[in-house]
Amino acid sequence: NAGVTQTPKFRVLKTGQSMTLLCAQDMNHEYMYWYRQDPGMGLRLIHYSVGEGTTAKGEVPDGYNVSRLKKQNFLLGLESAAPSQTSVYFCASSYLAPLTYEQYFGPGTRLTVT
Amino acid sequence: DAKTTQPPSMDCAEGRAANLPCNHSTISGNEYVYWYRQIHSQGPQYIIHGLKNNETNEMASLIITEDRKSSTLILPHATLRDTAVYYCIVRGFSGGGADGLTFGKGTHLIIQP
Repeated sequence: NAGVTQTPKFRVLKTGQSMTLLCAQDMNHEYMYWYRQDPGMGLRLIHYSVGEGTTAKGEVPDGYNVSRLKKQNFLLGLESAAPSQTSVYFCASSYLAPLTYEQYFGPGTRLTVT
Repeated sequence: DAKTTQPPSMDCAEGRAANLPCNHSTISGNEYVYWYRQIHSQGPQYIIHGLKNNETNEMASLIITEDRKSSTLILPHATLRDTAVYYCIVRGFSGGGADGLTFGKGTHLIIQP
């Protein structure tokens, strides 16, 4: 049971490049989330999904797109990276409400945009 | 979700109990109190949650005041591995509870040898 895994662990992009971050979970969770964490700050929600084929915007969705084609995977895309998107990105998953007490987090992806 | 206030940092001696306070004076009746922690560079880890009653699990105890306006997370015998940022989060379950957690800056707990 690997829990929540994220690919890649590190990435450096040039301004304007695109990339996709992959999150996978093997716990059969319905809900999945993408957060970003800037230095010295707490996590902020980018997008989330309540099930396969559904996505919704979080607190800071601009500049990102997401897809949930399979229940176990949640993809985060940056179409045209900007230096302001330099951050650590965390994926999380949880059971259906009311059991969403615990979110399980992945190890994070460190992204630098130059 | 109600806002929370935590001290930015705290020290505790190894082996002693670490008591981390959190103020949530605007909490409403259906909002839970959650605690997570984040060890350096890792993803956050769930610790405990509660609504009204005090709660205990293998990691910690959560004491919620009777008026629910504040709470304290207690790590009974702190070890060096407990050095982390601890986040107190208040959250209701509107919309089915699927929306994410709202993290503040938390308390940086440093366990001293």
